[in-house]
Amino acid sequence: AQKITQTQPGMFVQEKEAVTLDCTYDTSDPSYGLFWYKQPSSGEMIFLIYQGSYDQQNATEGRYSLNFQKARKSANLVISASQLGDSAMYFCAMREVPYGNKLVFGAGTILRVKS
Amino acid sequence: EAQVTQNPRYLITVTGKKLTVTCSQNMNHEYMSWYRQDPGLGLRQIYYSMNVEVTDKGDVPEGYKVSRKEKRNFPLILESPSPNQTSLYFCASRRSENYGYTFGSGTRLTVV
Repeated sequence: AQKITQTQPGMFVQEKEAVTLDCTYDTSDPSYGLFWYKQPSSGEMIFLIYQGSYDQQNATEGRYSLNFQKARKSANLVISASQLGDSAMYFCAMREVPYGNKLVFGAGTILRVKS
Repeated sequence: EAQVTQNPRYLITVTGKKLTVTCSQNMNHEYMSWYRQDPGLGLRQIYYSMNVEVTDKGDVPEGYKVSRKEKRNFPLILESPSPNQTSLYFCASRRSENYGYTFGSGTRLTVV
């Protein structure tokens, strides 16, 4: 079964608007971590934001925020004030402590920012 | 500059010809890992290492070998590459549980 599900293969957003990229996860372990990565067309993987399962508040990093809804097992990434440089592939990932702390990735969402 | 360095960036090889993709990190990280990226599948873990001489299989280890003889290096070895190993490969290292992994620039491998 998929542990990380990203249901949006592709998204468009107008420059300067906010966009939400969806991510749901599946785990029975109470201790886990959730990550978002950005992969521009150049191919490198860029760490954006982290949310721990015991964190009381939603994580924020500049224009990125993570809408963490634990009961629904969702960890959506919100990008505010989109910029052209935000056009990239975005991956949601989960770290499960019992499984050697490996990261499990979703299939990704391609975001295109329109001017 | 803190980084993970992979080599080569691009490689085209023939079926059955042994190859090694090197990975080196200068951050003194204990945890290192190899992933492959395929369209529609995201990144899948091949092998990981918790420390020197400690390695374990990830989700897709078949056809790959690794070694961790020293902390900074974690090479990926394909003893007999096959076309289904054509993929984009990433090496990554991690400082601690709460920090994102630092990824190398990737190695695009084509096996013909």
